[in-house]
Amino acid sequence: GAGVSQTPSNKVTEKGKYVELRCDPISGHTALYWYRQSLGQGPEFLIYFQGTGAADDSGLPNDRFFAVRPEGSVSTLKIQRTERGDSAVYLCASSFGTESGTDTQYFGPGTRLTVL
Amino acid sequence: KNEVEQSPQNLTAQEGEFITINCSYSVGISALHWLQQHPGGGIVSLFMLSSGKKKHGRLIATINIQEKHSSLHITASHPRDSAVYICAVRSWGGSNYKLTFGKGTLLTVNP
Repeated sequence: GAGVSQTPSNKVTEKGKYVELRCDPISGHTALYWYRQSLGQGPEFLIYFQGTGAADDSGLPNDRFFAVRPEGSVSTLKIQRTERGDSAVYLCASSFGTESGTDTQYFGPGTRLTVL
Repeated sequence: KNEVEQSPQNLTAQEGEFITINCSYSVGISALHWLQQHPGGGIVSLFMLSSGKKKHGRLIATINIQEKHSSLHITASHPRDSAVYICAVRSWGGSNYKLTFGKGTLLTVNP
């Protein structure tokens, strides 16, 4: 079956612009995660959705970052007034979202964001 | 100091060699993951373990909870094993969905 997909695969934008990154999780997965991976670093947690609600957004670096998942499936990560430091690979993952929290997360290929 | 430390950062091996990648962590965890990331590709989960040892094909993962240490071994390494290997830990309790990642180990296996 289809895995997690992310669009676009690459996004180049200018400083100060607004961008939206999309994640399509695996069908039936209630949990969805966004991570950010800077060059030479491991991924860092941004936000976790359980269904439609953001259960934990403690990883969002500031109020320029916002994410939604209005119907409990597709999620969009929105970045306002982009800065050069936002350049990174943005990874999305999804899982069945069991109560134990120990289920496997399936990752998408990522969106490489470059802010000029 | 990062909560999850991996060593080495870079590793080059000849085809057929036995590979070991180490991961140390400083927090209490409910589980530890080993993940593989190919250049330009997504991340694939290799193992999730909370105790002992797991084996899948040529890959073996071990964990010592008391010492807060895990190792990933690759036997009879092959050029297709070349990738970044990432260790990640899950915390206890209400935030156990959250993964904290190491920086990764870049493995290059030459033919």
